[in-house]
Amino acid sequence: DGGITQSPKYLFRKEGQNVTLSCEQNLNHDAMYWYRQDPGQGLRLIYYSQIVNDFQKGDIAEGYSVSREKKESFPLTVTSAQKNPTAFYLCASSILRGPYNEQFFGPGTRLTVL
Amino acid sequence: AQSVAQPEDQVNVAEGNPLTVKCTYSVSGNPYLFWYVQYPNRGLQFLLKYITGDNLVKGSYGFEAEFNKSQTSFHLKKPSALVSDSALYFCAVRDGDTGFQKLVFGTGTRLLVSP
Repeated sequence: DGGITQSPKYLFRKEGQNVTLSCEQNLNHDAMYWYRQDPGQGLRLIYYSQIVNDFQKGDIAEGYSVSREKKESFPLTVTSAQKNPTAFYLCASSILRGPYNEQFFGPGTRLTVL
Repeated sequence: AQSVAQPEDQVNVAEGNPLTVKCTYSVSGNPYLFWYVQYPNRGLQFLLKYITGDNLVKGSYGFEAEFNKSQTSFHLKKPSALVSDSALYFCAVRDGDTGFQKLVFGTGTRLLVSP
């Protein structure tokens, strides 16, 4: 099956810890994205990447970091600098060019800070 | 910057009745618009997208969307709602005309279909 996988589905973190969320896609998409979803606020873009070894900050990048060492993988690290990390995190991918390039989403990871 | 607005936080409809979920957009060039659906604790699923020239777009699960340039709207519709349609719906617009562009999402509208 082609698609996007995210792991783990649920993640619990103690304050002061860094955690890494996994995102893998086998759709051969060049572009990948990370979003944060909070109740009543829709989706907010954290980071995105158009190509291996390159990525750009989105609207709320503070306290997060990413890497793109392989085309199919785009892990997100939530650092201890992120003040309010409890949220639902969604990874997505798309083709790079063209106006009708809808994004495909993974199932999400729910992060809870204890 | 491009933007979309979803004016209703929640829409309630009885099963079998037609439903409409509203979306208005603001763009500086051509509008590239999308609808997604999200079921609880799941990722977003693509429903449909506006292709220039087609004012009525048909998508997945019997949904369609009506593009209205004069009203800058792209409302999601379905002739007969099902209880299983209850979910969170997002409208999105491409953030620009050319090259690589991100999507800008609305805040979402919760659809509740009662039996």
